Amino acid sequence: ETGVTQSPTHLIKTRGQQVTLRCSSQSGHNTVSWYQQALGQGPQFIFQYYREEENGRGNFPPRFSGLQFPNYSSELNVNALELDDSALYLCASSLRGRSYNEQFFGPGTRLTVL
Amino acid sequence: AQRVTQPEKLLSVFKGAPVELKCNYSYSGSPELFWYVQYSRQRLQLLLRHISRESIKGFTADLNKGETSFHLKKPFAQEEDSAMYYCALSGPTTSGSRLTFGEGTQLTVNP
Repeated sequence: ETGVTQSPTHLIKTRGQQVTLRCSSQSGHNTVSWYQQALGQGPQFIFQYYREEENGRGNFPPRFSGLQFPNYSSELNVNALELDDSALYLCASSLRGRSYNEQFFGPGTRLTVL
Repeated sequence: AQRVTQPEKLLSVFKGAPVELKCNYSYSGSPELFWYVQYSRQRLQLLLRHISRESIKGFTADLNKGETSFHLKKPFAQEEDSAMYYCALSGPTTSGSRLTFGEGTQLTVNP
């Protein structure tokens, strides 16, 4: 069984740029969720994708967008980067339809915006 | 709106002492409650969930709907328990809904 992987591990961007983060879900999972974890905070839900469609969104502006592909991998895109976007971005996969909503997390991508 | 509160950012105990990590939540409905743990240089992983009522690594957590709490307890802490612990809440279990996390408690178990 392959776990959740994310790329890249670290990324440095400047304010106003755009960034794409990638996630491969765990084998057999069909749902991907993205979280933002600022320093010293718990993860905050950005959005979730199921069957290639957005299935729930947290309190994040439209410049945060995503995609899910037929193989259930996913991308998180952030446009017009701001300094406050500096954070660890976590991807989590799960199997929708199970009796409980256990999510398996990737190692994260550390984004620094200068 | 769903919310999770972990009142202690830092908790330090000695090896062999009991430990309790507090978690309170607000949710209008029947929530699923979880404890996630992150050991040093490892990814976030599920420790336990309230519906399973199991003990993992000696830890237990009981959902108290009256007090809206889901405290994590272990009678005898071990040094390897040192980690960051997050309490999390989820809505309807089959809808693939979001996890709402608390801010976390950094547990340090001293020798």
